[in-house]
Amino acid sequence: EVQLVESGGGLVQPGGSLRLSCAASGFTFSNHWMHWVRQAPGKGLVWVSNIKTDGSRTNYAGSVKGRFTISRDNAKSTLYLQMNSLRAEDTAVYYCTNGLSSSSVNWGRGTLVTVSS
Amino acid sequence: QSVLTQPPSASGTPGQRVAISCSGSSSNIGSNGVAWYQQLPGTAPKLLIHGDTQRPSGVPDRFSGSKSGTSASLAISGLQSEDEADYYCVTWDDSLNGWVFGGGTKLTVL
Repeated sequence: EVQLVESGGGLVQPGGSLRLSCAASGFTFSNHWMHWVRQAPGKGLVWVSNIKTDGSRTNYAGSVKGRFTISRDNAKSTLYLQMNSLRAEDTAVYYCTNGLSSSSVNWGRGTLVTVSS
Repeated sequence: QSVLTQPPSASGTPGQRVAISCSGSSSNIGSNGVAWYQQLPGTAPKLLIHGDTQRPSGVPDRFSGSKSGTSASLAISGLQSEDEADYYCVTWDDSLNGWVFGGGTKLTVL
């Protein structure tokens, strides 16, 4: 069974940092581009970032470029999102997913990040 | 303001057919495949359609996708109460070098 389990969310002050993790199992992690997608309370889905299978290529939404860094450890089947200079508007549930448009796509349950003083 | 434009709401009665539109541009829908997601309250999104028209295994054939030019559409036939959810379109944008979601459509089954 495919599982994606996000962790690392919580309450952080504006300007602070958090590192999210996504532990993957049940599929060949190293064969998949991985993504982070977020959803602010009561709002829609927003793509945040993705990373190529071997970590050699990354892409970011304009709203997080320069502040967030995506990375992966294929040996540990784990995806990361380092979030720096956090703002109130970064408050959201953060989901990891092993694809967005393919025959088999799986999402985690998400981890809540709250940026507030 | 989302790059892809969806109507904020749609509605229908049980058994009816409903269509949800997703409008974009030549840099996104016009040149890349579109996927559709269903999100029930408090749950992670579920993939309904990928590659414009393809249904993953397990998705009922009541759900179908289509695309013409820079617009895509999700149709739901034989509407059921459990279809009441939020629906999102998503695709790659060549200009932004990123994936873009529509703003979402809240479907109400009357």
